Amino acid sequence: NAGVTQTPKFQVLKTGQSMTLQCAQDMNHNSMYWYRQDPGMGLRLIYYSASEGTTDKGEVPNGYNVSRLNKREFSLRLESAAPSQTSVYFCASSAGSGFTDTQYFGPGTRLTVL
Amino acid sequence: AQSVTQLGSHVSVSEGALVLLRCNYSSSVPPYLFWYVQYPNQGLQLLLKYTTGATLVKGINGFEAEFKKSETSFHLTKPSAHMSDAAEYFCAVSDQNNFNKFYFGSGTKLNVKP
Repeated sequence: NAGVTQTPKFQVLKTGQSMTLQCAQDMNHNSMYWYRQDPGMGLRLIYYSASEGTTDKGEVPNGYNVSRLNKREFSLRLESAAPSQTSVYFCASSAGSGFTDTQYFGPGTRLTVL
Repeated sequence: AQSVTQLGSHVSVSEGALVLLRCNYSSSVPPYLFWYVQYPNQGLQLLLKYTTGATLVKGINGFEAEFKKSETSFHLTKPSAHMSDAAEYFCAVSDQNNFNKFYFGSGTKLNVKP
């Protein structure tokens, strides 16, 4: 039982390049989330998916797109990376479809945009 | 929108001393409240949460927190710090208008001195 897995663990991009961060969970959870973590700012919600086939914007969605490919997988895409997107990205999942449930986090992806 | 304030970005205690990490939220409607812990280079994991009912909530690893509506606070305590408690702690609240948005505080790094 791996929980929440994220790939890659580390990535360096040049400004303007694109990439997709992958996230998968094996807990049969309904909801999945993408956060970014920046020093002194805690975690900020980028997008979330309350159930398969639905996605909604969080606090900081600009510059990102998401896909809820199936119940297990939720990917985050940067179409044209910018230095301001340098951050640590966390994927999480929860059983229910709201923020009252415990969220389980992946180990994170450390992204640097030059 | 909800806001969460964690007083003190760094807290240092001696092993065996009381741990007190402060969290205040802005809301006229009691939200759902959470404390998460992040160990170095790992994702977050839930320590405890308050949804309804008893205002004193017990969590893992000997931590507890008390919801005080009159003070809009949800401070985290542990009677006796252990070296393994050194980590970053995040308070989080759900949105006051609906429970489909989630906000983290900026975090408090706990250092435990031998």
